[in-house]
Amino acid sequence: DAGVIQSPRHEVTEMGQEVTLRCKPISGHDYLFWYRQTMMRGLELLIYFNNNVPIDDSGMPEDRFSAKMPNASFSTLKIQPSEPRDSAVYFCASSFGQGETDQETQYFGPGTRLLVL
Amino acid sequence: GIQVEQSPPDLILQEGANSTLRCNFSDSVNNLQWFHQNPWGQLINLFYIPSGTKQNGRLSATTVATERYSLLYISSSQTTDSGVYFCAVEKGGATNKLIFGTGTLLAVQP
Repeated sequence: DAGVIQSPRHEVTEMGQEVTLRCKPISGHDYLFWYRQTMMRGLELLIYFNNNVPIDDSGMPEDRFSAKMPNASFSTLKIQPSEPRDSAVYFCASSFGQGETDQETQYFGPGTRLLVL
Repeated sequence: GIQVEQSPPDLILQEGANSTLRCNFSDSVNNLQWFHQNPWGQLINLFYIPSGTKQNGRLSATTVATERYSLLYISSSQTTDSGVYFCAVEKGGATNKLIFGTGTLLAVQP
């Protein structure tokens, strides 16, 4: 398997523009996670999906952020409008499932480095 | 919420040395994972270890859930071990939400 795929790898945009980040999880994984990494806040979970359904979005910073998973092989994280404080590395991760077993192991994509000017 | 503390915050080693990284957590957990973030930013899962001991080559990990800590051992370190090591935990209950520690920055010098 190719692992978790994210695109774009780098994104530079101007404040106020819409940004869309994309993720393809590992085939067969039921869980998909979006994380954000910054120097100030470290790695934090934004939202996760189970079988394409959003389960917990309590980490989403504000209404400017939205995430969708229209099918088992694709998810998007959208920021509209973007602000300089959104600059960060955004990671997507996936796992098989849940139940206190190795199936909970999360596999991370390479990340999208976002810079909002 | 649950607190995850890692120590030391940073560490410099000579190639070939051994090291122990520690992760303390403030509440019972049913999921603990160790990750390595390499200098290029890629996060690699090292261990899923909510309890007990596991080994994978030069790396091993032990979690003592009753005492709320986990240790990651790196033996015969190599320059490719450099990067940040994160511990992440999921609080008891089926939440699937990993809370990451602040990491240990490891630099292995040749």
